[in-house]
Amino acid sequence: KQEVTQIPAALSVPEGENLVLNCSFTDSAIYNLQWFRQDPGKGLTSLLLIQSSQREQTSGRLNASLDKSSGRSTLYIAASQPGDSATYLCAVNGNNRLAFGKGNQVVVIP
Amino acid sequence: DAGVIQSPRHEVTEMGQEVTLRCKPISGHDYLFWYRQTMMRGLELLIYFNNNVPIDDSGMPEDRFSAKMPNASFSTLKIQPSEPRDSAVYFCASSSGRLNTEAFFGQGTRLTVV
Repeated sequence: KQEVTQIPAALSVPEGENLVLNCSFTDSAIYNLQWFRQDPGKGLTSLLLIQSSQREQTSGRLNASLDKSSGRSTLYIAASQPGDSATYLCAVNGNNRLAFGKGNQVVVIP
Repeated sequence: DAGVIQSPRHEVTEMGQEVTLRCKPISGHDYLFWYRQTMMRGLELLIYFNNNVPIDDSGMPEDRFSAKMPNASFSTLKIQPSEPRDSAVYFCASSSGRLNTEAFFGQGTRLTVV
């Protein structure tokens, strides 16, 4: 069974700093990995999708890397803003079923 | 497309009552997933469908839970009878037929059983 871990569970950073969020998974036989954002009381918004054959994916201030062999992915958010405050969830796709971590709860302090 | 649409957004019911959650996937998507989110356990896959057929229901907690997909544009998750421990946020998601595509989530239904 795929186990997905996200560390740290919660973090606070001052505005302008770069954010680094880590995700690890136990089974490297994956099709892709997806990062989501969840605001309180809301659904999940897809941020980035990395295929198993890719090393990284970028969208604006967001960059996600994938090291499948070591079972790790990192989400970088450059020059954080208060609007980036949310919970970030990592989900690993194995055989078309997503296994989720419990998330990184981020607060960006103005 | 309006995205994945779930209803109701909030549901409060008494223990023992039947609860039905509804989902409309994105048009053209042939995979549909039901997830449950709690503080303790995070997001858990309950069941998923491919082309309206249930593929894996091993995540359904017990026989009180059932799910149907009568057509490509509609699915239901039913809990009968409901219990307080069923209180959670239930999400529906859909994706296209290929294994390497994104999953898109609805806004969720927050269920409270008192």
